[in-house]
Amino acid sequence: GAVVSQHPSWVICKSGTSVKIECRSLDFQATTMFWYRQFPKQSLMLMATSNEGSKATYEQGVEKDKFLINHASLTLSTLTVTSAHPEDSSFYICSARPREGYGYTFGSGTRLTVV
Amino acid sequence: GQNIDQPTEMTATEGAIVQINCTYQTSGFNGLFWYQQHAGEAPTFLSYNVLDGLEEKGRFSSFLSRSKGYSYLLLKELQMKDSASYLCAGEDSNYQLIWGAGTKLIIKP
Repeated sequence: GAVVSQHPSWVICKSGTSVKIECRSLDFQATTMFWYRQFPKQSLMLMATSNEGSKATYEQGVEKDKFLINHASLTLSTLTVTSAHPEDSSFYICSARPREGYGYTFGSGTRLTVV
Repeated sequence: GQNIDQPTEMTATEGAIVQINCTYQTSGFNGLFWYQQHAGEAPTFLSYNVLDGLEEKGRFSSFLSRSKGYSYLLLKELQMKDSASYLCAGEDSNYQLIWGAGTKLIIKP
């Protein structure tokens, strides 16, 4: 089945630094990648939607200059959290929709802790 | 507006049957997804309903009524490993997923 590889699975960084999270579709082409954030005991919150080769569409309230998304190819999308602060600590998950067929495949998630 | 409603928490006994309901309102509607999410892990796909009716997959079944904007996930022969959050998500006509807050299912021996 379709697999999305997400790295790193967890990261601890100092406040003010940047962190890059990578999602790679291993055996299919992902035309659209969704980036979510999930706080403890809450549901998924969509941050942005990116289509290969075009700028990401950010949800209301999500700072595009802080959360940089690059979807340069049909198999790779990255989320960079710039100038991270403790309130950015969360579980970040990517999800890809394949070029063909239906369904959404999730990455394994990245636990970000900013200290 | 777009909205997905599902109960916050349910409790059931090992070996029993539980039904998790979900009602939805979306801008256009393509289909309804159910995902399972264990604590600290990413969601995993359970089912996708497009047409009205019941779809069975082993111990898990999912039902959809498009006219009523209603779906349910039915879990049979509950096992302790089924303790998780179950997320209902409607796909609108723009292929965006509208997520419910999730139902935390607690299984007791």
